[in-house]
Amino acid sequence: GENVEQHPSTLSVQEGDSAVIKCTYSDSASNYFPWYKQELGKRPQLIIDIRSNVGEKKDQRIAVTLNKTAKHFSLHITETQPEDSAVYFCAASNPQAGTALIFGKGTTLSVSS
Amino acid sequence: DAMVIQNPRYQVTQFGKPVTLSCSQTLNHNVMYWYQQKSSQAPKLLFHYYDKDFNNEADTPDNFQSRRPNTSFCFLDIRSPGLGDAAMYLCATSRDSRGLETQYFGPGTRLLVL
Repeated sequence: GENVEQHPSTLSVQEGDSAVIKCTYSDSASNYFPWYKQELGKRPQLIIDIRSNVGEKKDQRIAVTLNKTAKHFSLHITETQPEDSAVYFCAASNPQAGTALIFGKGTTLSVSS
Repeated sequence: DAMVIQNPRYQVTQFGKPVTLSCSQTLNHNVMYWYQQKSSQAPKLLFHYYDKDFNNEADTPDNFQSRRPNTSFCFLDIRSPGLGDAAMYLCATSRDSRGLETQYFGPGTRLLVL
């Protein structure tokens, strides 16, 4: 089955710096890759997603890149702000496995001002 | 504007005492999911419904059951909660089951087992 590895597990940056979180997946049939942000005690919220027919997607300060050959995808946050502090989860979905989203273990991002 | 609603937000139960968590959605989505999330861990899928079709994950304990009486509502029943079942329980929905659709999460119910 699918396995998603996420690195790093914790990331500390200064306000205004960029943050990069990387994920790798094992099943080449996976074709949907969402990123969720979860603040303490709150629900996971989708911040950006990418499907396998594109290599990059951007939404203001957030971008995701996908390399299907290498089976990895990354989240890039530019000009980080303290409110970006949260746990970020990547996930992969393989239609052959049905609807299940396989999550990475999460990255705790801390942005200090 | 709440789209996926979970009640209660906090639930305290006693060891072995059955408990039911509820989820409702206003999105008219076909698929509803239940996830268990323990502290500092990723959400773990327990099961999902595509319409009325129930799909259980292989490693979901028999202690966990679910009901979906209609499109809008889905329930998680824990028949005999143990201390290890204390967690956040997240409900999510998606439009269909092709694996390409966005999943929208509810706020979660935090379960405490005494």
